Amino acid sequence: GESVGLHLPTLSVQEGDNSIINCAYSNSASDYFIWYKQESGKGPQFIIDIRSNMDKRQGQRVTVLLNKTVKHLSLQIAATQPGDSAVYFCAENSYNAGNMLTFGGGTRLMVKP
Amino acid sequence: NAGVTQTPKFQVLKTGQSMTLQCAQDMNHNSMYWYRQDPGMGLRLIYYSASEGTTDKGEVPNGYNVSRLNKREFSLRLESAAPSQTSVYFCASSEGTSTEAFFGQGTRLTVV
Repeated sequence: GESVGLHLPTLSVQEGDNSIINCAYSNSASDYFIWYKQESGKGPQFIIDIRSNMDKRQGQRVTVLLNKTVKHLSLQIAATQPGDSAVYFCAENSYNAGNMLTFGGGTRLMVKP
Repeated sequence: NAGVTQTPKFQVLKTGQSMTLQCAQDMNHNSMYWYRQDPGMGLRLIYYSASEGTTDKGEVPNGYNVSRLNKREFSLRLESAAPSQTSVYFCASSEGTSTEAFFGQGTRLTVV
């Protein structure tokens, strides 16, 4: 069936460097693509979304890029901080499917001081 | 505001026992969801409710039932627990077509 997945299970970066987390998706009918952050022992927390008709969206220290040609989504975190250490999930949302969120497998980001 | 509140936080069941996981949200959201998260894995949708009075199956509904008691509350029931249902369960809510879902702290369930 349709799915959302991730390339890298673990990413280790130096504090202050930029981080790039990647995700591949297969459902071309998705309306939105979303990034969530999950800290240890907590529920996921919304970071940023991008509508399917856009290719870039910026937030505070984060940028999401969408390449529909190759069905690829990425999250860029600028000047990575220790507080960014978490598992990051991409997800997709389809209005036709009752607005339910479908999550990928997650990437663990580890920030080295 | 408390957001999304789940109870209990931890539970151990014996195979075959039943239990209900409770979830309540105070944000007046229409949509509510139940997910399970296995170790090192993503979240898989069990059931969701787009509005009060409606429920729909998600990706992994077998072995579960849900009740949307009112707009605030959405419960998940395991009628006969199995070891394969050992997982962390998350409840979430969102408003309308918003992509921002708010999650509870999770219920860690172990079935022995």
